[in-house]
Amino acid sequence: ETGVTQSPTHLIKTRGQQVTLRCSSQSGHNTVSWYQQALGQGPQFIFQYYREEENGRGNFPPRFSGLQFPNYSSELNVNALELDDSALYLCASSPLGGLSSYEQYFGPGTRLTVT
Amino acid sequence: QKEVEQDPGPLSVPEGAIVSLNCTYSNSAFQYFMWYRQYSRKGPELLMYTYSSGNKEDGRFTAQVDKSSKYISLFIRDSQPSDSATYLCAMSSNSGGSNYKLTFGKGTLLTVNP
Repeated sequence: ETGVTQSPTHLIKTRGQQVTLRCSSQSGHNTVSWYQQALGQGPQFIFQYYREEENGRGNFPPRFSGLQFPNYSSELNVNALELDDSALYLCASSPLGGLSSYEQYFGPGTRLTVT
Repeated sequence: QKEVEQDPGPLSVPEGAIVSLNCTYSNSAFQYFMWYRQYSRKGPELLMYTYSSGNKEDGRFTAQVDKSSKYISLFIRDSQPSDSATYLCAMSSNSGGSNYKLTFGKGTLLTVNP
């Protein structure tokens, strides 16, 4: 069984640029959540996708957007990058939408540095 | 007040010790309680999850939830150097369709010394 995979592993961008991060969910999982983890902090919920629709959003501005594809893979897009966007971005997949979405399995993350 | 509070440590113990990790929370709607282990520069790994109050045991790990005190614990018996990592508690509710989001503590950095 393949786990959650994310690409790229590391990324360096300049303030004001745009970035796209990618995630492939674990086999059999149809729900994907994205989290931002700043250094020394716990992950913060960005949003979740289920059946290609956004299914809840955390306290992040609209320049954070996402997509989910029919194969359940997902993208996180961040526009107009700010220095504070530097963090580890984590993707998590869940085996079922709705009731069991608390059971989330994380990928290795993409480390984004904004200079 | 943060929804989930967790002492960041660091916590350093000798090999073989019993480790106790704890979190408190303020949101009484939380019903699902998880513990994740995160090695340096890696993604969190789900260790255990429990629903509502009670205990759950899995090998050397025991998770306890006390909803009346809004307090959860993770115990590690016979700790090993390979247990050295950051331990994150996470919680979720199942009310009003809001069960999609995990709320995490800051994590506790544990070092087990040989």
